[in-house]
Amino acid sequence: DTEVTQTPKHLVMGMTNKKSLKCEQHMGHRAMYWYKQKAKKPPELMFVYSYEKLSINESVPSRFSPECPNSSLLNLHLHALQPEDSALYLCASSQVLQDEKLFFGSGTQLSVL
Amino acid sequence: TQLLEQSPQFLSIQEGENLTVYCNSSSVFSSLQWYRQEPGEGPVLLVTVVTGGEVKKLKRLTFQFGDARKDSSLHITAAQPGDTGLYLCAGAVHPYNAGNMLTFGGGTRLMVKP
Repeated sequence: DTEVTQTPKHLVMGMTNKKSLKCEQHMGHRAMYWYKQKAKKPPELMFVYSYEKLSINESVPSRFSPECPNSSLLNLHLHALQPEDSALYLCASSQVLQDEKLFFGSGTQLSVL
Repeated sequence: TQLLEQSPQFLSIQEGENLTVYCNSSSVFSSLQWYRQEPGEGPVLLVTVVTGGEVKKLKRLTFQFGDARKDSSLHITAAQPGDTGLYLCAGAVHPYNAGNMLTFGGGTRLMVKP
């Protein structure tokens, strides 16, 4: 199994809603990532978890709250988002070793109304 | 902040033509990775180059890593319509026990017309 599975594929939410994005992998990877990709732009790193601990937070606003309950799961909790947060949210995983490739999920296309 | 400049941003060519995509930075990366992304999907790794001066071939695709490990190129020979997509270069740094941080270039949107 070399897949990273993200749910839901599409999400529409209002600015007062609370929602969560989910990501799962069973490749034994101990590094997991959240990236944000705006339309026609490259992915931008948001968070990195290494051995289930948050290792990198790229100055992401607190309305985005990541969680890594175990080595296979990664969540991104969303609260009070703004319309400019609409984007494709990509989860990825890799071995922690240097220069290991990242496996990306298909993403969640988020629209904030 | 480490930046990767990728060029060209857009490329529209006829089937059978050759093309080169460039990825340049003022920073040194531990490796340079090339990804391809289809609409509605996540990026998929094509190749990783690690050693300065390294050349890797993947069928009609040739990847080079500059001697100083700051720049890279992707050359496609005899492009086919199936090569159409978004090509992304990404520089990797590896903070201790913190996974691989990728900084992506701006991407090159390639369209190959039959």
